[in-house]
Amino acid sequence: DAGVIQSPRHEVTEMGQEVTLRCKPISGHDYLFWYRQTMMRGLELLIYFNNNVPIDDSGMPEDRFSAKMPNASFSTLKIQPSEPRDSAVYFCASSKTGGAGEKLFFGSGTQLSVL
Amino acid sequence: EDKVVQSPLSLVVHEGDTVTLNCSYEVTNFRSLLWYKQEKKAPTFLFMLTSSGIEKKSGRLSSILDKKELFSILNITATQTGDSAIYLCASGDYGGATNKLIFGTGTLLAVQP
Repeated sequence: DAGVIQSPRHEVTEMGQEVTLRCKPISGHDYLFWYRQTMMRGLELLIYFNNNVPIDDSGMPEDRFSAKMPNASFSTLKIQPSEPRDSAVYFCASSKTGGAGEKLFFGSGTQLSVL
Repeated sequence: EDKVVQSPLSLVVHEGDTVTLNCSYEVTNFRSLLWYKQEKKAPTFLFMLTSSGIEKKSGRLSSILDKKELFSILNITATQTGDSAIYLCASGDYGGATNKLIFGTGTLLAVQP
């Protein structure tokens, strides 16, 4: 199994630009999670999907952030416009039956730097 | 608001020492407590605990959950430099439509030779 695949691994952009992060979950996993990690706040849940449907987006910081899951094998997290405070590592994770009762499998993350 | 608090924030020890990492949680619909190790990039799973008082063990690592006092500990005996990492604790919120993990900020462990 290839695991959770994220792209790009690193992204450097300028303030105001649109950023799109991509994720391919493990095949057969019904849940997909987007997390953001910073030194100050640790790992924060942004949004999660069950069977491609967004269930809880209460962690999305503001309207500049949006996430989609058009099919079971692909999800995107978009930031438009990006700001320096969005600089962080963004992780995608997936699981079969949900995060609470089962371990998550994490991708390698996208290191985002907004200048 | 659900939260997970870890202590200490960071820890420096020497090889061979034993360390104890702490995690307390407040989750509305508690389901599980999980520990992850993060070395370079992606967190990797260590333990999942759902019942009080039952120790989970893997080599030099062990963990236990106290659901009455709402905390868990992770013990590492005879530490090695390869144990240097961020250790993350997460609590599972499972109620109604909610099914998610809430992470603490982690404990940064540095093991010196």
